Amino acid sequence: GDSVTQMEGPVTLSEEAFLTINCTYTATGYPSLFWYVQYPGEGLQLLLKATKADDKGSNKGFEATYRKETTSFHLEKGSVQVSDSAVYFCALVRPSNTGKLIFGQGTTLQVKP
Amino acid sequence: ETGVTQTPRHLVMGMTNKKSLKCEQHLGHNAMYWYKQSAKKPLELMFVYSLEERVENNSVPSRFSPECPNSSHLFLHLHTLQPEDSALYLCASSQDKGQGYGYTFGSGTRLTVV
Repeated sequence: GDSVTQMEGPVTLSEEAFLTINCTYTATGYPSLFWYVQYPGEGLQLLLKATKADDKGSNKGFEATYRKETTSFHLEKGSVQVSDSAVYFCALVRPSNTGKLIFGQGTTLQVKP
Repeated sequence: ETGVTQTPRHLVMGMTNKKSLKCEQHLGHNAMYWYKQSAKKPLELMFVYSLEERVENNSVPSRFSPECPNSSHLFLHLHTLQPEDSALYLCASSQDKGQGYGYTFGSGTRLTVV
């Protein structure tokens, strides 16, 4: 079945460090890929998305490129801030009856000043 | 304001109580979802509604009973819960089923069963 695998956390970085959170997926067909972010005490917010191979999603300095050849959608940011501390979820949805969003297990990012 | 509103934000209930969680969206979305988020576990999809019709029920125990009276409102009725049901319950909506549409999530209801 379809699945999403993220790198295990927590990831701890100093402010202004470079961030990479790895995400790989297994799916039939051509899924759309998403990154969601969950700040403490809140629900999930859509961070960025890509709907076809080689698309690059970007938002708030975060980027991820849809790589079909490696079935990956790694999240990157050049310079993290303390305010980026949150849980990040990679997810996919493929054409289906329900459009079900399938999540990875989440990666906690902690940025220290 | 995320566009999806969940109430209450926090709920403590005994195992013999009956309570309901409410979710409301005025985004014009046609699909609504209930997710369960437990500590150190992936998000679990519980129910999917599309145009007020339940299209998916992921082997959820009958002590959880969803209701979707219209496309803007979704409820989760709870009765005789167990302590392991304590979790964050998230509601989400999307424009439609299918590829390319992200979900809009509410802030969740933190449920504690005592």
